[in-house]
Amino acid sequence: SSELTQDPAVSVALGQTVRITCQGDSLRSYYANWYQQKPGQAPVNVIYGKNNRPSGTPDRFSGSSSGNTASLTITGAQAEDEADYYCGSRDSSGYHVFGTGTKVTVL
Amino acid sequence: QVQLQQWGAGLLKPSETLSLTCAVYGGSLSGYYWNWIRQPPGKGLEWIGDSNQSGSTNYNPSLKSRVTISVDTSKNQFSLKLSSLTAADTAVYYCARGWVRGVLDAFDIWGQGTMVTVSS
Repeated sequence: SSELTQDPAVSVALGQTVRITCQGDSLRSYYANWYQQKPGQAPVNVIYGKNNRPSGTPDRFSGSSSGNTASLTITGAQAEDEADYYCGSRDSSGYHVFGTGTKVTVL
Repeated sequence: QVQLQQWGAGLLKPSETLSLTCAVYGGSLSGYYWNWIRQPPGKGLEWIGDSNQSGSTNYNPSLKSRVTISVDTSKNQFSLKLSSLTAADTAVYYCARGWVRGVLDAFDIWGQGTMVTVSS
């Protein structure tokens, strides 16, 4: 079972801002990464290490962290941002672990 | 541009062994960790394990007794074997490149995924 908890689903109006959270005790020790997965596709890394964007990630995506919670914010959500989002980090033993996932719907 | 291309059997019977291979094109195995990650239908991602170029491995404790990840540097490939399959192992299996820089790490390149179904 995942040690990183996410809200199952959130919705956002086109052009508005949405924040997705990821909670887990290990986030006090390790950074969270964020992955976007569209139906039938492999995940894509959109944020790593709290708030770093790989090349190709639009600057409307940003990350933050406080205590045991990491967050991914989409500022000015676009239709193409509709996807499942997973946080990824380490568990208390240092092994890789993913969050439970959040489905983002853009209205 | 580095690409990962994976392949392997898609339909297996209970108790059989899953075998998947992932080829790395456009880059070297050196300096990275080579991962297998799976996703049951309609569910989330689960990390299976990784290996570096030298063959040093780490496995998810929940799967460790059944998993072997190996690297073939001559072919620029890495492989996954998962034994004693049950229906619970039905999933899309992904290979992925992992990098580590100090306290930062991520999976930056993924294969296309292989659907593996375990059914009698």
